[in-house]
Amino acid sequence: NAGVTQTPKFQVLKTGQSMTLQCAQDMNHEYMSWYRQDPGMGLRLIHYSVGAGITDQGEVPNGYNVSRSTTEDFPLRLLSAAPSQTSVYFCASSYNRGQDGYTFGSGTRLTVV
Amino acid sequence: AQSVSQHNHHVILSEAASLELGCNYSYGGTVNLFWYVQYPGQHLQLLLKYFSGDPLVKGIKGFEAEFIKSKFSFNLRKPSVQWSDTAEYFCAVNTNAGKSTFGDGTTLTVKP
Repeated sequence: NAGVTQTPKFQVLKTGQSMTLQCAQDMNHEYMSWYRQDPGMGLRLIHYSVGAGITDQGEVPNGYNVSRSTTEDFPLRLLSAAPSQTSVYFCASSYNRGQDGYTFGSGTRLTVV
Repeated sequence: AQSVSQHNHHVILSEAASLELGCNYSYGGTVNLFWYVQYPGQHLQLLLKYFSGDPLVKGIKGFEAEFIKSKFSFNLRKPSVQWSDTAEYFCAVNTNAGKSTFGDGTTLTVKP
């Protein structure tokens, strides 16, 4: 049982480049979400999905896109990377919208230069 | 909208000292409450959770938390900390609509 798997673990991008952060879970969780973690700011919700084909914006969605074609996968796309997107990104999943708590992935540390 | 406030940004303790980390939330309805721990370089892990019933909940590694409804608080405690408890701790609130909000985190440093 792998839980929530994120790739890559580290990434350096140049300003303006695009990339996709991958997230996959094998727990058959309907709810998946992306957070970014910045020093002193806790975790901020970027986008979330309550099931395949359904996504919605969180607190800080600008500059990011998501899609949910399967229950297992929830990729996060950076359209045109900016230095302000330098952060640690965590994918999380849960069975019932987080009411039992989340299972987090190991994170992706992204640096935009 | 709900919010979560963690009172201490950085706490430094010696081993065997007692720990209490404060967490207050604002939300008018029913909530589920959580504490997560993030060890250096790792992802967040669930430490304990409160849904209903006994307001004193026990989690892993000797941690416990008390829900005081009248104070909108959910403070984390441990009677005797160890060096291995050095980590960042996050309080979180989840409403019955499925929306979660995390606090800014408290960094705990335990000196051996």
